[in-house]
Amino acid sequence: NAGVTQTPKFRVLKTGQSMTLLCAQDMNHEYMYWYRQDPGMGLRLIHYSVGEGTTAKGEVPDGYNVSRLKKQNFLLGLESAAPSQTSVYFCASSYRHTGTTYEQYFGPGTRLTVT
Amino acid sequence: RKEVEQDPGPFNVPEGATVAFNCTYSNSASQSFFWYRQDCRKEPKLLMSVYSSGNEDGRFTAQLNRASQYISLLIRDSKLSDSATYLCVVNIPSNTGKLIFGQGTTLQVKP
Repeated sequence: NAGVTQTPKFRVLKTGQSMTLLCAQDMNHEYMYWYRQDPGMGLRLIHYSVGEGTTAKGEVPDGYNVSRLKKQNFLLGLESAAPSQTSVYFCASSYRHTGTTYEQYFGPGTRLTVT
Repeated sequence: RKEVEQDPGPFNVPEGATVAFNCTYSNSASQSFFWYRQDCRKEPKLLMSVYSSGNEDGRFTAQLNRASQYISLLIRDSKLSDSATYLCVVNIPSNTGKLIFGQGTTLQVKP
């Protein structure tokens, strides 16, 4: 199993450009998440999905949109990139392990720079 | 008060030392607790879950004190390869699987 994969690994955008980050998981997990990680800020949740066809806002959703058309894929879109969106983006997936335990498994990340 | 608080460190220890990290969380209704490890410029990886009775995995021991809302991680016989950032993670009580990540404690093990 590949686990959680993310494409691309690196990207440089100019202000105002758009792009889509793709996350794919082959573990049949119901739940998927997009985070950003900035120095001194820790991991912050952007959007998440509790199942195919569902999405919800996290802690820092502004400037991002998501879609979960297939259970295994979770897409993160930036419609008009801003320098403040320069960050490392991580995707994660999870399942209900026992009771209320939700272990999350992460992809390798996408390093995005907006100039 | 932050939802999950950790001492950022860094903790600089010699090989073979025992080191302990602590973490406090604010939501008394949280029921799932984890330690993740994150190497520089890599993704977080699950190190171990933390159970009420405490649990051990090789050189690593995790403890949970629900009354004090406190989690700990003990690393015995530190190796150079243990150098990383350790994230304390707590669930948000809901059916969404959302987790809150602490900012991490950095460990540097020196020869």
